Amino acid sequence: ILNVEQSPQSLHVQEGDSTNFTCSFPSSNFYALHWYRWETAKSPEALFVMTLNGDEKKKGRISATLNTKEGYSYLYIKGSQPEDSATYLCAPLGGNNRLAFGKGNQVVVIP
Amino acid sequence: GAGVSQSPSNKVTEKGKDVELRCDPISGHTALYWYRQSLGQGLEFLIYFQGNSAPDKSGLPSDRFSAERTGGSVSTLTIQRTQQEDSAVYLCASSLVASGNGGELFFGEGSRLTVL
Repeated sequence: ILNVEQSPQSLHVQEGDSTNFTCSFPSSNFYALHWYRWETAKSPEALFVMTLNGDEKKKGRISATLNTKEGYSYLYIKGSQPEDSATYLCAPLGGNNRLAFGKGNQVVVIP
Repeated sequence: GAGVSQSPSNKVTEKGKDVELRCDPISGHTALYWYRQSLGQGLEFLIYFQGNSAPDKSGLPSDRFSAERTGGSVSTLTIQRTQQEDSAVYLCASSLVASGNGGELFFGEGSRLTVL
């Protein structure tokens, strides 16, 4: 079982501010890293699937970077909006086609 | 439907009863996963189906848990003799290809199980 750490576990952000959080995972046996957004009362939705060291992906105001050598990924939200309030889940993929999810970064954007 | 459908959305049961949770994946998706999230925990892998291959059952927490996938489509997760620690949100996800081939997961909205 991969040990996945996401920090901070919870954060409050003022509307318009930018924020970022971290996902740490074992750097050995790395295959891919997934990020999902899980809004309350909805189903988790994929944000990014990243595979290469140095990868940077962007979707609107949200972007992510990946460092496979040191085993971490950052997720950035630029100019946070209330609709960004959600739990962001990080999940590295091990060699068994199985994603190992962290506990998530719970983001609350305050209007 | 266009997405992954799960039923029931909520289930309250008494300790010792059996429950069945159903998942209708997106048509054509070959991979199907069951996860659960207990209070304060991350998503815990339960079982993985890929095409006609034998399922990966290594995440099932006890022999009270079983799952099947009929005709490569609908899946049912069965929990026998439920215990209070089984209370959780059970999430089903499907993907066009296995995660190992870059397949992102498409999740249902989950089945919230409460065991009294």
